[in-house]
Amino acid sequence: GENVEQHPSTLSVQEGDSAVIKCTYSDSASNYFPWYKQELGKGSQLIIDIRSNVGEKKDQRIAVTLNKTAKHFSLHITETQPEDSAVYFCAARAAGNKLTFGGGTRVLVKP
Amino acid sequence: DTGVSQDPRHKITKRGQNVTFRCDPISEHNRLYWYRQTLGQGPEFLTYFQNEAQLEKSRLLSDRFSAERPKGSFSTLEIQRTEQGDSAMYLCASSPDRGFGYTFGSGTRLTVV
Repeated sequence: GENVEQHPSTLSVQEGDSAVIKCTYSDSASNYFPWYKQELGKGSQLIIDIRSNVGEKKDQRIAVTLNKTAKHFSLHITETQPEDSAVYFCAARAAGNKLTFGGGTRVLVKP
Repeated sequence: DTGVSQDPRHKITKRGQNVTFRCDPISEHNRLYWYRQTLGQGPEFLTYFQNEAQLEKSRLLSDRFSAERPKGSFSTLEIQRTEQGDSAMYLCASSPDRGFGYTFGSGTRLTVV
C-alpha cells in the first residue's frame, strides 16, 4: 500500500521567514495530494491541494510543488505569521479513495 | 450546511463497554470516511462508504468495530468491548463523488479507562 513520509517533524521559524515541509510517497499511482492544518479544537482544515497533472499551485502565502518523477511534494509558507503555528499533515491518494497521511510537522512561528 | 459534524466531541468509557459515534457529512457529499488518529501520528484510514455501501475496510478495523451508513446520509461507528488501545481521536470526513476535497469533522476523542 501507499506510504507517506513527512519531514521535518518539528519546525521553528521566525515570524516573516519561510517554512518548507517535505513529503515523499511510495505509490506512483497516487494522483491527489492535499495538505491539512490541524489546530487544537478546530479539527483538520484543508489548506491547499494539488493533483498529479499539475506541478505547482499557489494560494496567497501558501504554495505546493509536486515532483512526480521523484515522488515528492512540498508545502511552502511564505511570510509566516504567528497564526500559522499548528500541526501540518500531508497526504496522498492512490488507488481507491482513501488518503494516506504523513506523520505531521509541528510548526512554531516565533514573534 | 456548515461542514462535517461529529458527536460526541469527547467520550470517556470504561474498558469493556460499547461506544457509538455519529458523523453527519456535508449533505452533497456521497463519500464518507472514518479515520483514527493517535497522539503524534497522522490519521489512519479505517473505512469508507460510497452512499450506503461500505466499499473498503482497513485491517485496523477489527471485528470489535462496525460502521454503518444506513441511508447514505449520517454514519455511525461502534466499538464493542473497548480496550485501552482504542483510545484515540476518531475522525470522519466526506468528499464529493470524484473524491477530491475531503472535509474533516472535528473528531470524537475517545478515552478508555
